Amino acid sequence: EVQLVQSGAEMKKSGESLRISCKTSGFTFTTYWIGWVRQMPGKGLEWMAVIYPGDSDTRYSPSFQGQVTISADKSINTAYLEWSSLRASDTAIYYCARTASSSWKVPFDYWGQGTLLTVSS
Amino acid sequence: DIQLTQSPSFLSASVGDRVTITCRASQGISTYLAWYQQKPGKAPKLLIHGASTLQSGVPSRFSGSRSGTEFTLTISSLQPEDFATYYCQQVNTYPHTFGGGTKVEI
Repeated sequence: EVQLVQSGAEMKKSGESLRISCKTSGFTFTTYWIGWVRQMPGKGLEWMAVIYPGDSDTRYSPSFQGQVTISADKSINTAYLEWSSLRASDTAIYYCARTASSSWKVPFDYWGQGTLLTVSS
Repeated sequence: DIQLTQSPSFLSASVGDRVTITCRASQGISTYLAWYQQKPGKAPKLLIHGASTLQSGVPSRFSGSRSGTEFTLTISSLQPEDFATYYCQQVNTYPHTFGGGTKVEI
């Protein structure tokens, strides 16, 4: 069974750093793209970035380039999303998701449960 | 970035209604379009990929079609469990942008 299990809710202050995780199981981690999607309170979905753990190839949305870092640890089948300096505007739910195949031109077919991040100023 | 414009943003409907949601791409994306359903407090669920291919396990009342850069999600007979927000996503070009969403309410 394919599973993506995300780390728990976080409450942080502006300027702090953070790394959230997405632990996967039930599939070959190195042969699918793993991505992150942001959903701000009451708003729609925003595609942030993806990584191909097999070779660490990464792609970012221009809106998030330089604001976050996506990474993956093949030894524990886990993907990460990291901030070096949080802002109040980073308050959102963050979902990790897996692409439907190893192709980069396919949608996400499995999703994590979401990680709620609250950043106070 | 490719922009996806969904319409309407909000839709009021009744059980049994036929519902149509439109997603227009700012440039050609072939059939690289997917549709998702999201219910409150839940992660999105993939309904359709390749513009018209039903994801495994999705009821056949859902269907997708394409005409040029305009894509349509149709629910043939709305069921109580279909009240949710629907999003389109293009996967032709990075970043794989989402549409703004359509909320389907009673």
